[in-house]
Amino acid sequence: QSALTQPASVSGSPGQSITISCTGTSSDVGSYNLVSWYQQLPGKAPKLLLYEVTKRPSGISNRFSGSKSGNTASLTISGLQAEDESDYYCCSYAGTNTWVFGGGTELTVL
Amino acid sequence: EVQLVESGGGLVQPGGSLRLSCAASGFTFSSDWMHWVRQAAGKGLVWVSRINSDGTSTSYADSVKGRFTISRDNTKNTLYLQMNSLRAEDTAVYYCASAGNCSGGSCYSGVSLASPDSWGQGTLVTVHS
Repeated sequence: QSALTQPASVSGSPGQSITISCTGTSSDVGSYNLVSWYQQLPGKAPKLLLYEVTKRPSGISNRFSGSKSGNTASLTISGLQAEDESDYYCCSYAGTNTWVFGGGTELTVL
Repeated sequence: EVQLVESGGGLVQPGGSLRLSCAASGFTFSSDWMHWVRQAAGKGLVWVSRINSDGTSTSYADSVKGRFTISRDNTKNTLYLQMNSLRAEDTAVYYCASAGNCSGGSCYSGVSLASPDSWGQGTLVTVHS
């Protein structure tokens, strides 16, 4: 149950697009289309942004999109806005009724 | 509106026990699968445990297996986490989270493989002598 690998930080300017990667193994990300992404503002609970790799819950902006290739999933935020500055976490089903999160990525909007 | 309110956190000595509760409202609690996730200060999210809708199936992270027990009382719309043999490394904010009912692409043969969707605000557990 090793954590998924995310970059510690990414940054971008308003209006740009950024991508956050989430690398796992063939036992988790690579085996299931069950990757989720969360946004966590400081001192707040996580908020679900995407589930099942590409699906957005009701109310989530279409500026957030997801993809997966092999053992790596990605979150793309387009049209970056100041309010997107936050921590982002990926999560994958890891088999035998267990789940694993990524280490988190801090997004800075320049 | 989904509401999850955790309680029961606090300061406990190493080797001690604590029971966390999570009061649910705004959705059909008895239909939803539920998770506990924790986060140490300044660190990332770590999955802890999951329970199915009727409480008959549970799973745990290796780090808590044999020490923590997840359970639920659907008559009280409440989720629990009994934590025994606590260690300093268990110090964290503990979140309860719903994972919906078993439906859609995350439901396999009646088993929900969905990750958490709605989260509570968390309760802090500190293990220190």
